[in-house]
Amino acid sequence: AQSVTQLGSHVSVSEGALVLLRCNYSSSVPPYLFWYVQYPNQGLQLLLKYTSAATLVKGINGFEAEFKKSETSFHLTKPSAHMSDAAEYFCAVQYGGSQGNLIFGKGTKLSVKP
Amino acid sequence: DAGVTQSPTHLIKTRGQQVTLRCSPKSGHDTVSWYQQALGQGPQFIFQYYEEEERQRGNFPDRFSGHQFPNYSSELNVNALLLGDSALYLCASSLAPLDNEKLFFGSGTQLSVL
Repeated sequence: AQSVTQLGSHVSVSEGALVLLRCNYSSSVPPYLFWYVQYPNQGLQLLLKYTSAATLVKGINGFEAEFKKSETSFHLTKPSAHMSDAAEYFCAVQYGGSQGNLIFGKGTKLSVKP
Repeated sequence: DAGVTQSPTHLIKTRGQQVTLRCSPKSGHDTVSWYQQALGQGPQFIFQYYEEEERQRGNFPDRFSGHQFPNYSSELNVNALLLGDSALYLCASSLAPLDNEKLFFGSGTQLSVL
């Protein structure tokens, strides 16, 4: 079955440190890929998306992600964490081009220590 | 410009009861999708409404039903509630069916079934 796996349900970094959140998908056909952020008591907000154009995708708030077909990965990074980055992050995949449904990972909760 | 609004924000029901959740899409959007987010899980697609019809459906039983009104707002109905239906229910709107690149999410309705 098509799925997406986020490694690590909880990641903790210090303010100013590199943020790396991992996401792997299971398909030989590259899907569309998304990263969403969810702050407490709020809905999901799109950070960035990959839809078969450039493999390095830049998003909002200084985040970026690189699509690596050979590793079936789409890891999310940010060079320097801010306290305001503390939230839950969801990787999602969409198979079937623009007509598929979103399949979400279980999420990674990011904590940022002062 | 109001985004996606959902009501109520919180709801407590008992097993066997029925519940109705409401969603108003972002201005200009005509498509509404519903997701269930259980504690510690990513959102799961329930169904999508466009032109007042259910267009796609995820793996949810018939106890879950919906409706879309001419003004594009939508309702999610759940009958014969089970404890396992306790979750955050998210509504998302878009300009066209399955246009997941431009989904806007509401803050959700937290449903607790006792």
